[in-house]
Amino acid sequence: ETGVTQSPTHLIKTRGQQVTLRCSSQSGHNTVSWYQQALGQGPQFIFQYYREEENGRGNFPPRFSGLQFPNYSSELNVNALELDDSALYLCASMAGQGPDTQYFGPGTRLTVL
Amino acid sequence: RKEVEQDPGPFNVPEGATVAFNCTYSNSASQSFFWYRQDCRKEPKLLMSVYSSGNEDGRFTAQLNRASQYISLLIRDSKLSDSATYLCVVLSTSGTYKYIFGTGTRLKVLA
Repeated sequence: ETGVTQSPTHLIKTRGQQVTLRCSSQSGHNTVSWYQQALGQGPQFIFQYYREEENGRGNFPPRFSGLQFPNYSSELNVNALELDDSALYLCASMAGQGPDTQYFGPGTRLTVL
Repeated sequence: RKEVEQDPGPFNVPEGATVAFNCTYSNSASQSFFWYRQDCRKEPKLLMSVYSSGNEDGRFTAQLNRASQYISLLIRDSKLSDSATYLCVVLSTSGTYKYIFGTGTRLKVLA
């Protein structure tokens, strides 16, 4: 396996709520990226953290935010949930800033009702 | 226009067939290229990197054409276990490193 874990596996929320998703990277992997994968689509880049600082962001609104911690764990927070936020959320870690092999976690499937 | 485009398929092929997937990318400054495989309801996993000179890994061959901004993946002697979605991935370095995924091409290998 990749050594990247995510929690929870599944989550159901209602519109307007807030959610926090968690990721634990491989030890020594200083970069973590978060992706949103809607059904039938490829993963869409949300943002990337390197050594606890955001160093890249995709086309997602500010209500998507994140944190990375010194212990190789990270969080994705989404405020004011919308129905279209329903998706598989994947985190991926790698040792450096790139180019490098990304190792994906199993994902958190979020359903917004 | 999407940054990375793939034919979504599905490609239905018999066991033992050879199948090819294509991918085009729009950013000529893209540095690195990959093929990932994603099984149903699972996370993507790296299948292979794509090098300028082309590279082979067993039954899988990847090619890159920088002039045409085109990447391909060839699978020979298809197995039932090859059934999956194949994602083309381009590393964009506009400012920071950012991996751009295509929509993926679904392959179903039939017995």
